[in-house]
Amino acid sequence: GAGVSQTPSNKVTEKGKYVELRCDPISGHTALYWYRQSLGQGPEFLIYFQGTGAADDSGLPNDRFFAVRPEGSVSTLKIQRTERGDSAVYLCASSQGGSGANVLTFGAGSRLTVL
Amino acid sequence: TQLLEQSPQFLSIQEGENLTVYCNSSSVFSSLQWYRQEPGEGPVLLVTVVTGGEVKKLKRLTFQFGDARKDSSLHITAAQPGDTGLYLCADRPSGSQGNLIFGKGTKLSVKP
Repeated sequence: GAGVSQTPSNKVTEKGKYVELRCDPISGHTALYWYRQSLGQGPEFLIYFQGTGAADDSGLPNDRFFAVRPEGSVSTLKIQRTERGDSAVYLCASSQGGSGANVLTFGAGSRLTVL
Repeated sequence: TQLLEQSPQFLSIQEGENLTVYCNSSSVFSSLQWYRQEPGEGPVLLVTVVTGGEVKKLKRLTFQFGDARKDSSLHITAAQPGDTGLYLCADRPSGSQGNLIFGKGTKLSVKP
């Protein structure tokens, strides 16, 4: 597509529930990133995919968070047993490989609210 | 762990005024980037600077990179309401495969 698409744009859930957030990157972009942005903060890195594999998952806060990218395009961020502290905007970004790897294009984000 | 400090945290000015915002790093930048983020949107890349002392201009925006590559400034001339947003600086740490470290940003409001 023309840009990075994220769904849903807003998600309200209850504490303890399971949530999936989807990211559709720019067609042909091999790298995909997930970030989390809390109120009043800059984006915080979660995980980075190169193709289908997670090249760096050092930013995932704990084992309740998991992400997949099975065909090297769409990615899903999964959060189990949600907690109120998980409330944030989850941003996805994609980039080309090689010399274009430094130029990230972000989606508009998925705002997660855990009640 | 590298820390990026941005100042001021908030800035509210009138249309037509000039302003400067700052980004300081606890360690030397590898590849400094400036982004602007509007409400409800993701950050949009404005510029990448890599060379100490480098100055880049983007219309009314002037980006300066310190000689020691540990600080940067963004100057806006004759600010317009369309400049309103969150200005973020970011670095890609050396040795990282892809992730960026962001500062907390400067929230700019330009009133007509």
